[in-house]
Amino acid sequence: ETGVTQSPTHLIKTRGQQVTLRCSSQSGHNTVSWYQQALGQGPQFIFQYYREEENGRGNFPPRFSGLQFPNYSSELNVNALELDDSALYLCASSSAPSTDTQYFGPGTRLTVL
Amino acid sequence: SQQGEEDPQALSIQEGENATMNCSYKTSINNLQWYRQNSGRGLVHLILIRSNEREKHSGRLRVTLDTSKKSSSLLITASRAADTASYFCATDGNNAGNMLTFGGGTRLMVKP
Repeated sequence: ETGVTQSPTHLIKTRGQQVTLRCSSQSGHNTVSWYQQALGQGPQFIFQYYREEENGRGNFPPRFSGLQFPNYSSELNVNALELDDSALYLCASSSAPSTDTQYFGPGTRLTVL
Repeated sequence: SQQGEEDPQALSIQEGENATMNCSYKTSINNLQWYRQNSGRGLVHLILIRSNEREKHSGRLRVTLDTSKKSSSLLITASRAADTASYFCATDGNNAGNMLTFGGGTRLMVKP
């Protein structure tokens, strides 16, 4: 167990809807990164939050947005859902914004119909 | 896009045998990491090797890094059924964005 929790575990939405996924980071960690993992592929970096500010973004459109709260928990919001957004969404926390060891949560499985 | 590419994509071995997975990447790196994922769940960090290191051990795991060939290998010795999982390499790409770039993974099955 990494101490990183995510909610919900599973989610089903329809095309065009909006979704919010949540992540609680490990105690003492101030950095949260979000990844999208399509079936059968490796995770792809969406963005990172450090001390409530976005600190790097991957190749994802603006309808993917995020927040980090003072307690360092984080949300991932996706607007105007598309079928290709169906994936496992993983958050990872770390003690600093470096790319050293990141601690992953169990993920949220999003299905878009 | 994925910087790292694992080889093979799938590997099936008997318990007790060794498993070797390879990873190639495209750009210069500060470090390379290996992660394990069970049944589409969260990733577990296995080992990190820095660009100035050539080999690292952790228990039954041995990782090598060849920066001249932009490649790494993960060896699991004396495999167990519990090692059945997907294994991913991840690089930092020496970038300022603090992002990890993952390969497509090797799916390892260890038969009892």
